[in-house]
Amino acid sequence: NAGVTQTPKFQVLKTGQSMTLQCAQDMNHNSMYWYRQDPGMGLRLIYYSASEGTTDKGEVPNGYNVSRLNKREFSLRLESAAPSQTSVYFCASSDWNAGDKNEQFFGPGTRLTVL
Amino acid sequence: QKEVEQDPGPLSVPEGAIVSLNCTYSNSAFQYFMWYRQYSRKGPELLMYTYSSGNKEDGRFTAQVDKSSKYISLFIRDSQPSDSATYLCAMTLYGNKLVFGAGTILRVKS
Repeated sequence: NAGVTQTPKFQVLKTGQSMTLQCAQDMNHNSMYWYRQDPGMGLRLIYYSASEGTTDKGEVPNGYNVSRLNKREFSLRLESAAPSQTSVYFCASSDWNAGDKNEQFFGPGTRLTVL
Repeated sequence: QKEVEQDPGPLSVPEGAIVSLNCTYSNSAFQYFMWYRQYSRKGPELLMYTYSSGNKEDGRFTAQVDKSSKYISLFIRDSQPSDSATYLCAMTLYGNKLVFGAGTILRVKS
């Protein structure tokens, strides 16, 4: 049981390049999330998918797109990377039901640098 | 003003000390209050949660919520070097989205 896995672990991009961050979970969770973590800012929600087939914007969606490929996989795409997107990106999943606390399980993160 | 405020620290204490970590928030509708622990270069993990007001104890850890003051706390008794980590508070209205504090870096010196 690997939990939440993310690839790649590290990536360096040049401004304007594109890339896709991959996330997979093996806990049969319905909901999946993408966050970015910056010093002094905590975790900020980029996009989330409450269930397979749905996606919604979070707090900071500009410059990103997502795809919920199936129940297990949720990818994050940067179409034209900018230095402001240098950050650590975390994927999370949960078996959330309405009214529940929503315990989220996080992956190990992807450290992205945009030059 | 951020919805959840948390002093980023770092907070440095000697082994065995009692640690107090705190967050304030502005949205009185929050119902669930959580503390996540994040070790260096790892993803966060849920440490404790409290529903509405009150205290919850789990071993050396105690979580408190004061909704009248919009203030939550995490106390760590007999702190250990293994407690050195970043502690993030998080809260939610209905559970679908969590709002996180900035995180407090804690260093416990042996």
